[in-house]
Amino acid sequence: AQSVTQPDIHITVSEGASLELRCNYSYGATPYLFWYVQSPGQGLQLLLKYFSGDTLVQGIKGFEAEFKRSQSSFNLRKPSVHWSDAAEYFCAVGGNTDKLIFGTGTRLQVFP
Amino acid sequence: EAGVVQSPRYKIIEKKQPVAFWCNPISGHNTLYWYLQNLGQGPELLIRYENEEAVDDSQLPKDRFSAERLKGVDSTLKIQPAELGDSAVYLCASSLGGGANTGELFFGEGSRLTVL
Repeated sequence: AQSVTQPDIHITVSEGASLELRCNYSYGATPYLFWYVQSPGQGLQLLLKYFSGDTLVQGIKGFEAEFKRSQSSFNLRKPSVHWSDAAEYFCAVGGNTDKLIFGTGTRLQVFP
Repeated sequence: EAGVVQSPRYKIIEKKQPVAFWCNPISGHNTLYWYLQNLGQGPELLIRYENEEAVDDSQLPKDRFSAERLKGVDSTLKIQPAELGDSAVYLCASSLGGGANTGELFFGEGSRLTVL
């Protein structure tokens, strides 16, 4: 069965510091991988997605993620975090016609 | 272009009362989803519509939950009767197609239900 694990429930970083949010997935075929962000009281917004090709994908707001098949990971990174990046981040996995399965999320807190 | 619109944003009811949530997807999006998001959890799919047909409702508790998507546009999710454990955020999303390969789901802001 497909599943997503986000090991870090809560991460705190200082503004300007680099960020890496971890995501591990379990999927029997070639996965489609996504990162969504949810600000308080808002719906989820797509940051980036991986379907195939280059394993390093660029997204909005300066985020990037790297697909590592050998590690079943799709970690999200940002070189310099801004206070406005404080939010909940969800990793998701799906297949060609399958529904998306979301992880439990990582809450990012940014200190000035 | 308007995004996915949901109402009400907040609803407080007593247990055993009925409640309904409404969703208007992005124009032209054939696929509509209702997700349940419990506190501290990721969204979990309740039901997915392709046009007016429910193609995946395996996670919908059919004893008390029902949904409809008349004319393949707006959708309503109903709970009757509500239980304390139904307190959560109900998210509606839409996309151009039905599989993960469509690339992106567009989410509404959600309807937060509190059952007392």
